[in-house]
Parts: sequence; structure tokens; C-alpha cells
Amino acid sequence: NAGVTQTPKFQVLKTGQSMTLQCAQDMNHNSMYWYRQDPGMGLRLIYYSASEGTTDKGEVPNGYNVSRLNKREFSLRLESAAPSQTSVYFCASSDSLRETSARAYEQYFGPGTRLTVT
Amino acid sequence: GIQVEQSPPDLILQEGANSTLRCNFSDSVNNLQWFHQNPWGQLINLFYIPSGTKQNGRLSATTVATERYSLLYISSSQTTDSGVYFCAAHTGRRALTFGSGTRLQVQP
Repeated sequence: NAGVTQTPKFQVLKTGQSMTLQCAQDMNHNSMYWYRQDPGMGLRLIYYSASEGTTDKGEVPNGYNVSRLNKREFSLRLESAAPSQTSVYFCASSDSLRETSARAYEQYFGPGTRLTVT
Repeated sequence: GIQVEQSPPDLILQEGANSTLRCNFSDSVNNLQWFHQNPWGQLINLFYIPSGTKQNGRLSATTVATERYSLLYISSSQTTDSGVYFCAAHTGRRALTFGSGTRLQVQP
């Protein structure tokens, strides 16, 4: 049981390049999330998917798109990278739809992707 | 949305000392979690504690939901406890709102 996995671990892009960050979870969770963490700060929500087939914007969605490919996978795409998107990106999942569970809302995080845009 | 504030922002301890970290939140919550971010950047789940008290080894946490705060206690601190401790909360089904963290340094 790997939990939440992310690829790649590190990436360097030039301004204007595009890339997709991949996330997968093997816990059969319904909800998945993308966060970014800038130096010295807490995490901020970019996009989330409450369940397969749905996605919603979070606090800082500009410059990003997401795809909930299936229940396991949730990808984050940067269409035209900018230096302001230099950050560490974390994916998370939770079993939010089964609200009768005592731990329905607990989120589990992947190891992160460190992205630098020059 | 919900606001999450943590204190103190920085804490330096000698090995073996005890400490209390505080998290205040602005609304009633469905979820409150404490995380430890280690020096390699990994986020480690410590507690899922929207209310009540839990203990795990040298760490314990208490959330008083009616008064909108949570406390994380670290006893007999070790150098491996160093890192940043985050509190995060949400209401409804939306994702977590993180506090700005408490940076802990435990000196040998």
C-alpha cells in the first residue's frame, strides 16, 4: 500500500514551457487535492476533486488546470510556466464522501514535487 | 473561509524539554489535523482531531471545538522532532486551510 504517490520529484522548467504533475492514490479515496507550498508558508489549495468526474477551484487556481482521470489519478497541468509558479506541489486524498466514517475527512499527502521555473 | 492561526511562529528547545503549540481557528470544523514537516519536506500526519484528546507516544493533542482552539504537546523533545508543525482545518467538504506553522528547533 503506497498511499499517495507523485511524479516527478523534481523538475526545472523554462518560462513558457508546459508540464503535467501526476498524482495517484491506492486507498480507494473519493476526494483528491492539489496544494502548493511557497518558502516559509503553509500549503494553499490550487484545485480539488470531491469525487470522480468533478473538479473545483481552490484559493490559487490561476495558471493551472486539472484532470481527474479516474478514481485513482488526479493530474495538475501548467500550460505556460511562470517564475511565480516556482514552488513545492503536494497532492492529497481523503475519503470525504463516506461521512459516517469517523475519519472521513482525514487527508493523506504525497511526498511533493519541487518545481523551479527559470 | 476559515482562518487558522498558529503560535508561536518559532520555538527553540533543549533536548528533553516539553512544549505546547497552539492553533486557533475561526469557525466550527469538520476536520482538524496536525502535521509535522520534516527537514526533507515530507508531511507526516500526526493527529486527526476535530475534537477531544489523543495521545501517540510523546505527542498528544487536544481540540476544544466549542472554544475553537487546538493544542499540540511535545514531551521529552528529541532532535528528530525538529521541523515545522502545521495545523490545518476545514468546514464542510472543502479542502484544508493551513496555518503558517511553528518552526521547532531542538538542540542537543
